[in-house]
Amino acid sequence: GQQLNQSPQSMFIQEGEDVSMNCTSSSIFNTWLWYKQEPGEGPVLLIALYKAGELTSNGRLTAQFGITRKDSFLNISASIPSDVGIYFCAGQLSNFGNEKLTFGTGTRLTIIP
Amino acid sequence: DTAVSQTPKYLVTQMGNDKSIKCEQNLGHDTMYWYKQDSKKFLKIMFSYNNKELIINETVPNRFSPKSPDKAHLNLHINSLELGDSAVYFCASSQEYFRPGQGHTEAFFGQGTRLTVV
Repeated sequence: GQQLNQSPQSMFIQEGEDVSMNCTSSSIFNTWLWYKQEPGEGPVLLIALYKAGELTSNGRLTAQFGITRKDSFLNISASIPSDVGIYFCAGQLSNFGNEKLTFGTGTRLTIIP
Repeated sequence: DTAVSQTPKYLVTQMGNDKSIKCEQNLGHDTMYWYKQDSKKFLKIMFSYNNKELIINETVPNRFSPKSPDKAHLNLHINSLELGDSAVYFCASSQEYFRPGQGHTEAFFGQGTRLTVV
């Protein structure tokens, strides 16, 4: 089936550093979502993108919907310890709704003290 | 006031047993899902229900049977459990948003049920 590849697979950074990750698809989407999952919890929605080229922020997080509609990017500025977790992208191609979300392989973020 | 709640959070059972996981959402959403997350953290959709009607059924063994008594509940029953069924199962719900020519989904997830088959 369709897969979304996220990179990097894992990141080890120091507190205060900026973080960039991306997600690429073999086919186009018309919705991109970014989720964060902490240990023992379910994924929590961070940012939703609906239009090619769209740039959306949520606090220190900024995500972009790629122009080709086959990729998306997430940036975290000035990382803090609570940013630790696994970040997932998810894409949907839906004209009428109720189409499934396809999830990426995840980027695991670790902050080095 | 949990939005999507599933029970139990942990389930340890022997091979061959039958077990159920329950899910309830209080967000007023029309669509509910079951996802499976494997040991590599890969999230894969299993089923989706819209207003109690099955709309997505990925390639899942017949031993897995979802049931939606109403649009706020989606339960998952698993027969004859196998070792390979061990995983974290997530329930989620969403409400579709429509813009011209496009439907959009923002899914909200429960905390997960960690199933261990021994």
